[in-house]
Amino acid sequence: NAGVIQTPRHKVTGKGQEATLWCEPISGHSAVFWYRQTIVQGLEFLTYFRNQAPIDDSGMPKERFSAQMPNQSHSTLKIQSTQPQDSAVYLCASSLEENTLYFGAGTRLSVL
Amino acid sequence: DAKTTQPDSMESTEGETVHLPCSHATISGNEYIYWYRQVPLQGPEYVTHGLQQNTTNSMAFLAIASDRKSSTLILTHVSLRDAAVYHCILRTNSGGSNYKLTFGKGTLLTVTP
Repeated sequence: NAGVIQTPRHKVTGKGQEATLWCEPISGHSAVFWYRQTIVQGLEFLTYFRNQAPIDDSGMPKERFSAQMPNQSHSTLKIQSTQPQDSAVYLCASSLEENTLYFGAGTRLSVL
Repeated sequence: DAKTTQPDSMESTEGETVHLPCSHATISGNEYIYWYRQVPLQGPEYVTHGLQQNTTNSMAFLAIASDRKSSTLILTHVSLRDAAVYHCILRTNSGGSNYKLTFGKGTLLTVTP
């Protein structure tokens, strides 16, 4: 079991560019979550999919952020027109239903 | 997640046994005690969890007080790889927004050779 796989590990974008982050959940896990983590704000929930359907996106900034789960083996988080304040570590987690969350190593997004 | 209290930091030496305390005086009956750990540039790693009985796995032993108001994560034969920030959190295993995890500052465990 390779765990939750996130790619890329580090992404650098210029202000105004688009960033797409990828997540491959643990095989068989029905729930996928996206979080972001910064030193100032700590761990912040963004969005949640169950069986590929969006369940809760209450943590997603209303503009520029979108997430999809086109199949059970991967999810993407897209940030349009990236801004310096979007710089953070973006974490994907998966779980069997809503039990223990297992996190990936994260994608460090740096917006210059 | 309800509030937990942990020491800011603890130190240990390789090979020792470490006891990481966590107090949760207002824990509810349906709340589990979860432990995660995190090292720089990595996502949080699940360590263990329990409800009422002590639990053990390959990573740690979790001792839960009989009144459930406190718990202790016990790491035996620590190595340099165990150096991390350890987070103790409370969460239910179903219902509500139990998936919205929040971490406090946790306990920074330093391990010296």
